[in-house]
Formats: sequence, structure tokens, C-alpha cells
Amino acid sequence: DGGITQSPKYLFRKEGQNVTLSCEQNLNHDAMYWYRQDPGQGLRLIYYSQIVNDFQKGDIAEGYSVSREKKESFPLTVTSAQKNPTAFYLCASSTGQGYPYEQYFGPGTRLTVT
Amino acid sequence: GENVEQHPSTLSVQEGDSAVIKCTYSDSASNYFPWYKQELGKRPQLIIDIRSNVGEKKDQRIAVTLNKTAKHFSLHITETQPEDSAVYFCAASHGGVNTGTASKLTFGTGTRLQVTL
Repeated sequence: DGGITQSPKYLFRKEGQNVTLSCEQNLNHDAMYWYRQDPGQGLRLIYYSQIVNDFQKGDIAEGYSVSREKKESFPLTVTSAQKNPTAFYLCASSTGQGYPYEQYFGPGTRLTVT
Repeated sequence: GENVEQHPSTLSVQEGDSAVIKCTYSDSASNYFPWYKQELGKRPQLIIDIRSNVGEKKDQRIAVTLNKTAKHFSLHITETQPEDSAVYFCAASHGGVNTGTASKLTFGTGTRLQVTL
């Protein structure tokens, strides 16, 4: 399955709570990405990281935070400041900097906040 | 930033017919155009991609064409089969050696393809 995993598959939280989504890859990829997918919409970029200890905001970073302390891990925290957190979250990785390369996606985490 | 538009949003074809999905992009610097297939509840998977130095690429029943002047690219699926039923996303990205930028993809909103018997 491409060596990129996300856990858990389903996650339920109460409004006002922060929640962290896990993403791990064993592909030795430098770059990692977080996307959000809502019904009827495409994937929207939340954050991305080119290399360890470095990350940049994507198009919809408000209410989210990330860290990249290890090459193989890129956890995403959905904070209480995110107004509509219920969505399908996808993590991806690619070989890294420079010329665009294929992004490999994880299986996703479906987050429901009530 | 880049903006990618995709049409149609839904497409229904009979088994054996061809399907065409079209995308336009706004950033003339974009040089990589992948197509992803996503089955219900699953991860997107790359089915074909094209770089800006070529105009067409084929892989069995799937082909992609690129018109850089008009800034549009299309996915063509021939001899469609029921297992082709899924949501298809186009995307665009730009990056080059020594730019130091990761491959940020901008996605279209998707086309739900249904292949009927």
C-alpha cells in the first residue's frame, strides 16, 4: 500500500478538543503533505514539509498545526480554532525537492467533530 | 496562486464507450499534471501524469493530452469498464531543479465517472 500509513481510520471528537492525526511513511521521502477533502470538493492543501524541521502553510492552514521532527513522521493537529473540522484528511509524501514528483497518499483519517 | 477547474462534475457512460474529462489551469509556470483515481472511501491513486515537455501520453486504455498554449489538459479513457467507475481528479504543479520548493499540487474538484452496463 505504498508505505504510508495514517491512524486511526475513524476519529470522533467533541467540539472544543484538539486532536492529532498520525502520518508515517517508510518510503524515505523528504517531502510530506496534509490535505483535507470535503464531499464534492477536491483536495485542499493544509501544510507541507520539504525536509525535517521545516514546514510551510498551504492554502487552508488556519486552525491546524504540524511538526516534522523525524523524516518519516508528519503529525497534524486539528485545533479547536478550526471552525469546520469534520472532513476526510489525507497525508501524502513524495521524493522531495525540485522537479515535481508523484505524491503517494495514505489511506486517510475520517474525522467527525460533534 | 494556481487555480484548476475540472469538468464535468459527473459523467455517465455505457460500458465500452469512451470518457473524456477536461481541466484548465491558470499558472503558466505549471509543468506537471497528474491524474488521480479515487474509489469510494479509498486513497487517491495516480493513474497517469504528463510533464509540460510532451503533448500526449498513453498507458493502455488511458491517455492524457496537454495544450500548454491554451492551458488545458484532458484525460481520455477508452473502452470503459465497470471498474473504471470512481472519482477522477486532475491536478497541476510547478517546480524545478534548484527551486527548493516541494511539489505543491493544486487539485480540480473531481469528476464522478459512472460506467453502466
